[in-house]
Amino acid sequence: SQQGEEDPQALSIQEGENATMNCSYKTSINNLQWYRQNSGRGLVHLILIRSNEREKHSGRLRVTLDTSKKSSSLLITASRAADTASYFCATADRGSTLGRLYFGRGTQLTVWP
Amino acid sequence: EAQVTQNPRYLITVTGKKLTVTCSQNMNHEYMSWYRQDPGLGLRQIYYSMNVEVTDKGDVPEGYKVSRKEKRNFPLILESPSPNQTSLYFCASSPLSTVTEKLFFGSGTQLSVL
Repeated sequence: SQQGEEDPQALSIQEGENATMNCSYKTSINNLQWYRQNSGRGLVHLILIRSNEREKHSGRLRVTLDTSKKSSSLLITASRAADTASYFCATADRGSTLGRLYFGRGTQLTVWP
Repeated sequence: EAQVTQNPRYLITVTGKKLTVTCSQNMNHEYMSWYRQDPGLGLRQIYYSMNVEVTDKGDVPEGYKVSRKEKRNFPLILESPSPNQTSLYFCASSPLSTVTEKLFFGSGTQLSVL
């Protein structure tokens, strides 16, 4: 399977703490994206990092990419209860058919007030 | 408002009764795709379309049909639904120029096949 794998499957923290989620993948990629899904709703694009980038920031989000280890991490700083959601990584594989994105199984983040 | 609209939001049906889940986008996107989401399996791509009259199979196309007669619409058809097609379905779209960079998702259709 070309799916990414998120780790951990579930994460539970208190408001104000940082949340770190990891994604590992198997093939060479053009980019890696993170999406957020509130319970049972559609996914929302959060951030994209290209294969030639190592770190990217957007507000309270920080994404890193290590292509040698085929892994990425998503850090949410100063988490809030509203950050409670599932987070998915998705990869656009180099050499793959245009239009194919491969999603991981997700990390369920719960932030307690 | 720019959006991807799926209907219905919830659907309960019986084995073998043909059904269609509609998807429409108002952003003039060339690319549209269907995914199913199952617990523990994440999102898996069913079919996708690069433009009108152009469709391709994803990872799990068996038991599904699609059509792309108009740019804005991409219906998902289950000719003879079976219980293993009980799932949460998502439609997504994107401009072709950024198809592997950002997808816009609908709110989902929860399908139960009894």
